[in-house]
Amino acid sequence: QVTLRESGPALVKPTQTLTLTCTFSGFSLSTTGMCVSWIRQPPGKALEWLALIDWDDDRYYSTSLKTRLTISKDTSKNQVVLTMANMDPVDTATYYCARIRSSGWYPGKYYFDYWGQGTLVTVSS
Amino acid sequence: QSVLTQPPSVSGAPGQRVTISCTGSSSNIGAGYDVHWYQQFPGTAPKLLIYGNTNRPSGVPDRFSGSKSGTSASLAITGLQAEDEADYYCQSYDISLRVWVFGGGTKLTVL
Repeated sequence: QVTLRESGPALVKPTQTLTLTCTFSGFSLSTTGMCVSWIRQPPGKALEWLALIDWDDDRYYSTSLKTRLTISKDTSKNQVVLTMANMDPVDTATYYCARIRSSGWYPGKYYFDYWGQGTLVTVSS
Repeated sequence: QSVLTQPPSVSGAPGQRVTISCTGSSSNIGAGYDVHWYQQFPGTAPKLLIYGNTNRPSGVPDRFSGSKSGTSASLAITGLQAEDEADYYCQSYDISLRVWVFGGGTKLTVL
């Protein structure tokens, strides 16, 4: 059974760095084709893809946010961590982690088959 | 402004058929990349509804179907039910941006 769960602070101040952890089970991020991604959704707005890390430790970032984002993994702990620097009130959103399972590096076929429940992060002083 | 364009809202009466469009460009859908669809109820995480343009994960009713042509894709829901009232998002990959992209979402209202 595949599960993912996001954890992190519910409230951060402007200019602070946000650190979110995705703890997963039911699969291994060292298996070829496995990836974990972060996606966010501001209240009442659309989904926005943020970052992806794959089984080979390759990392991909949103073009508009890449200077602020860092994604990393700890395979032994089944965790993926996302940091976002210089938080702003516009970054207030529910942050989700989600799994991608593929047979290899086929980005054009990637979809998110399992999602965490999400964690709401509010940026306010 | 989303890379993939969806109508903000669609509606239909119970039992009817509705479609939700997802329009992209030559750098995403038109480039041959797959389109996937997600269903999201208020306060919950998105759920995979259609993958690889036309495929339904186990447990998704066959009332839901997907199609793709050129630079666009569509989600069709037949035999509309009250429980289908939700937000729907399309997703693909963009080779120019080298990122995964979502549509702006469509709110389905069952009248």
